[in-house]
Amino acid sequence: EPEVTQTPSHQVTQMGQEVILRCVPISNHLYFYWYRQILGQKVEFLVSFYNNEISEKSEIFDDQFSVERPDGSNFTLKIRSTKLEDSAMYFCASSSESLASNTGELFFGEGSRLTVL
Amino acid sequence: SQQGEEDPQALSIQEGENATMNCSYKTSINNLQWYRQNSGRGLVHLILIRSNEREKHSGRLRVTLDTSKKSSSLLITASRAADTASYFCAPPGGSNYKLTFGKGTLLTVNP
Repeated sequence: EPEVTQTPSHQVTQMGQEVILRCVPISNHLYFYWYRQILGQKVEFLVSFYNNEISEKSEIFDDQFSVERPDGSNFTLKIRSTKLEDSAMYFCASSSESLASNTGELFFGEGSRLTVL
Repeated sequence: SQQGEEDPQALSIQEGENATMNCSYKTSINNLQWYRQNSGRGLVHLILIRSNEREKHSGRLRVTLDTSKKSSSLLITASRAADTASYFCAPPGGSNYKLTFGKGTLLTVNP
């Protein structure tokens, strides 16, 4: 069964360092998302991406964050200068249809755990 | 943006019993989705119910939707220990480009 894959599964970094989290969405999907979950808290929306541009972003997704689809298969989240509060599990998701449709469901990866020291 | 509010926050039952979780939301919707998250794992889509549907079944899952009350419920019948997880409802998050998740219901099924 097709699945969303994320790498690395766990990354430890020093505060101020740049981090890139990678995702391979399901191959025929067109809509891509990043969410994050701080330990013990809600799953929070960060950004959605379609047709090579950001569709929507949350207040969390400030200038320190960026997303890119560098080729036909990868979708990356970059954090330019990590802070302690960026420590969280980051989930990538994809969907084949728009969420406005009645078949738009999200397929999530297993997440990348980021620990900022 | 809109998110679903799940109730109860936590539910503990014995294996074989049924579990019912409720969701309320604020604005009109065209569909509502339910997801499950096992501890530390990614969310898994369970079921989508359209606004013109009142009830939908998928295996041991039964979802109802009452658009007049802006509420939905998820019933898991004959629960198993493997059903232990957090369950989230996701109405469209106020836009066509995101789903917004609430705090969920933490279901514990005791063997």
